[in-house]
Amino acid sequence: DTEVTQTPKHLVMGMTNKKSLKCEQHMGHRAMYWYKQKAKKPPELMFVYSYEKLSINESVPSRFSPECPNSSLLNLHLHALQPEDSALYLCASSQSRADTQYFGPGTRLTVL
Amino acid sequence: AQSVTQPDIHITVSEGASLELRCNYSYGATPYLFWYVQSPGQGLQLLLKYFSGDTLVQGIKGFEAEFKRSQSSFNLRKPSVHWSDAAEYFCAVAPGRGSTLGRLYFGRGTQLTVWP
Repeated sequence: DTEVTQTPKHLVMGMTNKKSLKCEQHMGHRAMYWYKQKAKKPPELMFVYSYEKLSINESVPSRFSPECPNSSLLNLHLHALQPEDSALYLCASSQSRADTQYFGPGTRLTVL
Repeated sequence: AQSVTQPDIHITVSEGASLELRCNYSYGATPYLFWYVQSPGQGLQLLLKYFSGDTLVQGIKGFEAEFKRSQSSFNLRKPSVHWSDAAEYFCAVAPGRGSTLGRLYFGRGTQLTVWP
């Protein structure tokens, strides 16, 4: 089974709200990723966690705060977002950072 | 710097016709190569991958891809396209053996339209 789940599927939030995106995998993968994807564009890497430690941060604004509470869960905490942050947020996982990445269905985020 | 080129932004084929989507990469060593497919509003599904060995790899949904080192290419093919194949296709490259970078480099994608 190569399933990565993400909740919620859709999220609408105001610029003053605080919300969180969740990602879960039960494949025993030790690397997890957050990507941002705008319409008609490829995914852009935001963060990489390896063995529950942040290993890559692609200079993402601090209004995005990742968290990896355990090896199966990855959160993305959102605060004071801007309308241009509206996008599809994808989570992925892999056995290790050098292995195949498997993607979740994404969370469609709209910032009003 | 690593780069992935998908020269075709949009391809239209008739159902039942053959398909080839092109992908070229620029990388110092032999990278790991992937093709992903994305339906509207959905996540990316892995179609196939190449790490080493046989340069012709088979994937899901009847797709195959051939790695050609001399041309730095990894083109995706399907002998007979179905209407359900209409989607966005992404070629991706990752640093190969011995690397722990965990970074995928994506091409810009090719939108496939299938006419009935």
